[in-house]
Amino acid sequence: QKEVEQNSGPLSVPEGAIASLNCTYSDRGSQSFFWYRQYSGKSPELIMFIYSNGDKEDGRFTAQLNKASQYVSLLIRDSQPSDSATYLCAVNLHNAGNMLTFGGGTRLMVKP
Amino acid sequence: NAGVTQTPKFRILKIGQSMTLQCTQDMNHNYMYWYRQDPGMGLKLIYYSVGAGITDKGEVPNGYNVSRSTTEDFPLRLELAAPSQTSVYFCASSYPLAGGGDTQYFGPGTRLTVL
Repeated sequence: QKEVEQNSGPLSVPEGAIASLNCTYSDRGSQSFFWYRQYSGKSPELIMFIYSNGDKEDGRFTAQLNKASQYVSLLIRDSQPSDSATYLCAVNLHNAGNMLTFGGGTRLMVKP
Repeated sequence: NAGVTQTPKFRILKIGQSMTLQCTQDMNHNYMYWYRQDPGMGLKLIYYSVGAGITDKGEVPNGYNVSRSTTEDFPLRLELAAPSQTSVYFCASSYPLAGGGDTQYFGPGTRLTVL
């Protein structure tokens, strides 16, 4: 089992819809969770981080964390074509210091 | 404040050649990292550093070396390049987040092809 898993996609949603991206992790002791967005040919950029169970909202983005079930999600409301990118989930695994372990990413396509 | 800069942006190497990928950050971050990203894949950690003079191996260190003589610079050395090292290389530095934990700022990447 991979330490951080994501469906590679592509996930296709129509413009204006809610895009739901999911990530599962294997280490129950993991403390912090990150979502990065990566446009084609560009470097990853941080869009959300979450530490506590529940939801965290920032504009059109909501991160959801469920430590008991070991998954973290990213919801994008009112999806725009400019949201089309690959979304990388990253987890700070227990006893890993500051190291992040990345999932393989989910490619999101928002169609006008 | 330039953030994390990397040079070169692109490079083609022949098998067996060597090169150094440069990485510089001007944010005074202690932690720095080198990742590689193969097409359609996530990021794999090659080496990291927790401060000047201190480096350690990540998940995929074979074929690479690093040094950290200053806080700002973290070069990655490829010795005897092989086609398996064809990839995009990202350098990152990390800063502490309010509430705990660190997150990482990435440079623009170096696209390397070994033929």
